[in-house]
Amino acid sequence: QKEVEQDPGPLSVPEGAIVSLNCTYSNSAFQYFMWYRQYSRKGPELLMYTYSSGNKEDGRFTAQVDKSSKYISLFIRDSQPSDSATYLCAMSARTGNQFYFGTGTSLTVIP
Amino acid sequence: EPEVTQTPSHQVTQMGQEVILRCVPISNHLYFYWYRQILGQKVEFLVSFYNNEISEKSEIFDDQFSVERPDGSNFTLKIRSTKLEDSAMYFCASSFIGELFFGEGSRLTVL
Repeated sequence: QKEVEQDPGPLSVPEGAIVSLNCTYSNSAFQYFMWYRQYSRKGPELLMYTYSSGNKEDGRFTAQVDKSSKYISLFIRDSQPSDSATYLCAMSARTGNQFYFGTGTSLTVIP
Repeated sequence: EPEVTQTPSHQVTQMGQEVILRCVPISNHLYFYWYRQILGQKVEFLVSFYNNEISEKSEIFDDQFSVERPDGSNFTLKIRSTKLEDSAMYFCASSFIGELFFGEGSRLTVL
């Protein structure tokens, strides 16, 4: 079983739609959860960071962590064409340990 | 805003040659990482480094790889004898506690 599972998509939505991206994981020790946005041939850009369970909101982005279900989500409200990118989830058990990445979900927002 | 910087942005080398990729992590960060991403594939962990020693490494990080923090600011990845399959984007990342920040990457092409 993979440490982190993420639907690779591709996902295509109209501008203004709400986007829901998800990852599941198997290791109950994970407590640091991150979402990254990656444009082609660029480095992952940190969007959201959550420690342990709960919700976090930043502008149009909301991250949710449900540790009981081993499930994390990223919601993008009022999606824009500039949101078109690959979205990666990543998680780790401890600072200094490796972060395990999902395969990434490719998102296209159509004007 | 502080950022992780990497050089070179692109390196082309012949199979069997040695390559050194350089990184300047964010200045107050304590944990340093190298990841790689083969085109179209997931981000893969190579090694983490803390307090001047390797704290964790993956199966990919075999004897042909080494890391060094030669001074207070630089963090390097050396690939001793490059193979064709080493062609990838190599990302340096750093963290203080929790959040992991990536550089823009060094693209390595082995011919």
